[in-house]
Amino acid sequence: EAQVTQNPRYLITVTGKKLTVTCSQNMNHEYMSWYRQDPGLGLRQIYYSMNVEVTDKGDVPEGYKVSRKEKRNFPLILESPSPNQTSLYFCASSFRTTQSYEQYFGPGTRLTVT
Amino acid sequence: GENVEQHPSTLSVQEGDSAVIKCTYSDSASNYFPWYKQELGKRPQLIIDIRSNVGEKKDQRIAVTLNKTAKHFSLHITETQPEDSAVYFCAASRSAQGAQKLVFGQGTRLTINP
Repeated sequence: EAQVTQNPRYLITVTGKKLTVTCSQNMNHEYMSWYRQDPGLGLRQIYYSMNVEVTDKGDVPEGYKVSRKEKRNFPLILESPSPNQTSLYFCASSFRTTQSYEQYFGPGTRLTVT
Repeated sequence: GENVEQHPSTLSVQEGDSAVIKCTYSDSASNYFPWYKQELGKRPQLIIDIRSNVGEKKDQRIAVTLNKTAKHFSLHITETQPEDSAVYFCAASRSAQGAQKLVFGQGTRLTINP
């Protein structure tokens, strides 16, 4: 089954404790992105990757890191989480083609930082 | 950079009536405009998209219109049904950047009243 998976789905942590949210897709997509969703603000892009070893900042990259060592995986790293990073996080992937720009989203990770 | 404004933030309509959600964008170079639907507790999913070389696109009960001069686009849902209740997000992107540089609106919570 074609899908984007994220782990964990729920996470409660404390300020300053490093964490990683994993994202994996099995559709051979070149593009992968991370978004955060906050009430009234919609979906805001954190980082994106056009291919292996190619990443770039989105609109709200502060406090986050990413890496793209393999095509299927795009982990999101919070080196020192703070309460303002409490949010719902979505990973998404898509093909690099002019035929379709549809983004396929993962199930989401709800993060709470206390 | 691109800025997308979406209105209204909430919309309530009677079952069977039509619903219209409007978005404006700031970057005249944007030429790809998707709409995503997010049901409660679920991930966003693409429902329809339009490129700047067309003014209107229709898929059964949903349609999207684009006015490039005014830099706004709208989602129209006719004969609304209870399963249309969800949060809808518009987005804008430049084709040179592809789907990985989507900028989303703030979202519209649509409620269909039986």
